[in-house]
Amino acid sequence: GENVEQHPSTLSVQEGDSAVIKCTYSDSASNYFPWYKQELGKRPQLIIDIRSNVGEKKDQRIAVTLNKTAKHFSLHITETQPEDSAVYFCAASSSGGGADGLTFGKGTHLIIQP
Amino acid sequence: NAGVMQNPRHLVRRRGQEARLRCSPMKGHSHVYWYRQLPEEGLKFMVYLQKENIIDESGMPKERFSAEFPKEGPSILRIQQVVRGDSAAYFCASSRREGLNEQFFGPGTRLTVL
Repeated sequence: GENVEQHPSTLSVQEGDSAVIKCTYSDSASNYFPWYKQELGKRPQLIIDIRSNVGEKKDQRIAVTLNKTAKHFSLHITETQPEDSAVYFCAASSSGGGADGLTFGKGTHLIIQP
Repeated sequence: NAGVMQNPRHLVRRRGQEARLRCSPMKGHSHVYWYRQLPEEGLKFMVYLQKENIIDESGMPKERFSAEFPKEGPSILRIQQVVRGDSAAYFCASSRREGLNEQFFGPGTRLTVL
């Protein structure tokens, strides 16, 4: 089955700086890669996703890159703000075989220092 | 437009009792996924259902756990004879259709087994 590794587990950056979170996956059949933000005690919320037919996607201060050859994808947050503090999860799935459950990384606790 | 709804939000059970968790998908969504999240960890896929069908239950323990999504009413995750190790947050997510589609999460049910 799929295995997703996520690094780092904790990331502390100064407000206004950029943050980068990296994930690798093992199943070459995976073709959908979402990122979720989860605040303490809240539900995971989808912030951006990318499909295997593109290499990069951007939405305001958030961008995701995908390298299918190397089987890794990254989340980039620019001009970080205090409200960006949360746990971020990457995930991967494939649509083949009817198994569409997401395989998640263990999460990155992002701390924005004022 | 209500999002994914789960109830109860908090559930306390004693060892050996049954826990029943309910999930109502977003309007127009016919695909439901259940995930379990242990403290300080990522989400683990348990089961994927469509109306009246279990599509993939590869992440669900074979004993004591069952899930259903009847033609009418919410999806139910049932845990029989709960043990302390079942204490976790259980999230359900829904999507409009299978394939490369966004999954939207409910607020979760936090199960505590005494």
